[in-house]
Amino acid sequence: AQTVTQSQPEMSVQEAETVTLSCTYDTSESDYYLFWYKQPPSRQMILVIRQEAYKQQNATENRFSVNFQKAAKSFSLKISDSQLGDAAMYFCAYRSPSNDYKLSFGAGTTVTVRA
Amino acid sequence: DGGITQSPKYLFRKEGQNVTLSCEQNLNHDAMYWYRQDPGQGLRLIYYSQIVNDFQKGDIAEGYSVSREKKESFPLTVTSAQKNPTAFYLCASSSFGLAETQYFGPGTRLLVL
Repeated sequence: AQTVTQSQPEMSVQEAETVTLSCTYDTSESDYYLFWYKQPPSRQMILVIRQEAYKQQNATENRFSVNFQKAAKSFSLKISDSQLGDAAMYFCAYRSPSNDYKLSFGAGTTVTVRA
Repeated sequence: DGGITQSPKYLFRKEGQNVTLSCEQNLNHDAMYWYRQDPGQGLRLIYYSQIVNDFQKGDIAEGYSVSREKKESFPLTVTSAQKNPTAFYLCASSSFGLAETQYFGPGTRLLVL
């Protein structure tokens, strides 16, 4: 299985501020997809954003954006204007065609939002 | 509404007992997956299926079994051989392909009595 590393077990952010979550991955492939999923206290996994490796432009979804550095194998998530509803566990995931399109997940980062 | 349903929400298993977790999807997805999540940890793949009547082991298949008799359904049985079954189990599905997003069900919490 591919290795996905999230080095920050926990992050805390003040409401309305910005927080960045880091993710690195190990691969020798050139074509793959990267995903960020959110798991709130309800434990329902929700897709936040995704990025194709061949696209140089960083993906953006409203207040969520990524910084994709292909050479460095880095895929960080930035949450801008943090809201109380952003409090959750965030998982980075990797998918490639050589592995039956299976997802490999990082261990997750718990985000706490302070009011 | 389209989506993935899992039942039950909570399940209690006695020692030596087999239990089955249900997963149903009406998204017309070809691929279905079972994951295990332990407290504070990421998701680990148990089994997956890309087509009816076919499935493959994931990273932690020992002590589990599955079937895929219908496209919509992918039940997971936790057998008595699984010595540490207490965990949160998530089912997911997707269309087949690199760009396809996996969608998740609400999960089943399995506890051992």
